Amino acid sequence: EIVLTQSPGTLSLSPGERATLSCRASQSVSSSYLAWYQHKPGQAPRLLIFGASNRATGIPDRFSGSGSGTDFTLTISRLEPEDFAVYYCQKYGTSTGYTFGQGTKLEIK
Amino acid sequence: QVQLVESGGGVVQPGGSLRLSCVASGFTFSTYGMHWVRQVPGKGLEWVSVISTDVNNRYYADSVKGRFTISRDNSRNTVYLQMANLRAEDTAMYYCARSEPGRFSFDYWGQGTPVTVSS
Repeated sequence: EIVLTQSPGTLSLSPGERATLSCRASQSVSSSYLAWYQHKPGQAPRLLIFGASNRATGIPDRFSGSGSGTDFTLTISRLEPEDFAVYYCQKYGTSTGYTFGQGTKLEIK
Repeated sequence: QVQLVESGGGVVQPGGSLRLSCVASGFTFSTYGMHWVRQVPGKGLEWVSVISTDVNNRYYADSVKGRFTISRDNSRNTVYLQMANLRAEDTAMYYCARSEPGRFSFDYWGQGTPVTVSS
C-alpha cells in the first residue's frame, strides 16, 4: 500500500507570502494520478490540481502543482486571505483505490 | 451549475443501518463516476466507494467492504450509499463527489451529510 505523507503538518505564513506544501509517496506514483484539494471548515472540498500540475476549472494561477515519482509540491505564489485552509494531496492506485494524505493546515501567522 | 446534495445522515446505534442519498444536477449524471468520501471529526479525508457510469464496477475501501453498498439510479440522477452493521468508527461527515471520465480526482463535491454512530 502506497502511503502519502504531507509536510509540514502546519504552516504559518502571512498574506502575500509564498507557500510550499509537500506530498511524499512511499512508492512511485504516476503523475496522472496525483491531485490536490483545499478544504475549509463547513465547506465542500475543492479540487485545485489534477494530474500533478493541471489547474482545475476556475482555480487562480497563483496555485501551481509540480513533481513526479515520489515527491510532489503544491505552491501558492502569493497568499490571499481566503487561501488559509487545510490542503490534501490524493492519489489513485489500480489495486488500492483512492488515498489521501493526512493534510497540511495553512494558518495565518 | 453543478450541484451535489447529500441527505439521509443522522444518529444510529452500533449495528444499525442507514442509507445516504446524493442528488446531482447541472451535468449529465450518467456519464460520470460517482464516489463517497468521508471525514471523521478532526481527521482527514478517507475515500469510501466508487460506482462506474454503467453500475457494473463498484469498489470499496477495505474499512467498509462487506458492510457498505453503493448504487446509482441514472433516471433519478442519484447515487446511494447503503450502510449496514455500523460501527462507532463510521461516525463522519459523508460527501459525495464526481470524477470526470479518464480522470482520477474529484472535481465537484457536495456539502456533506453527517452520520453519528452512538448508543
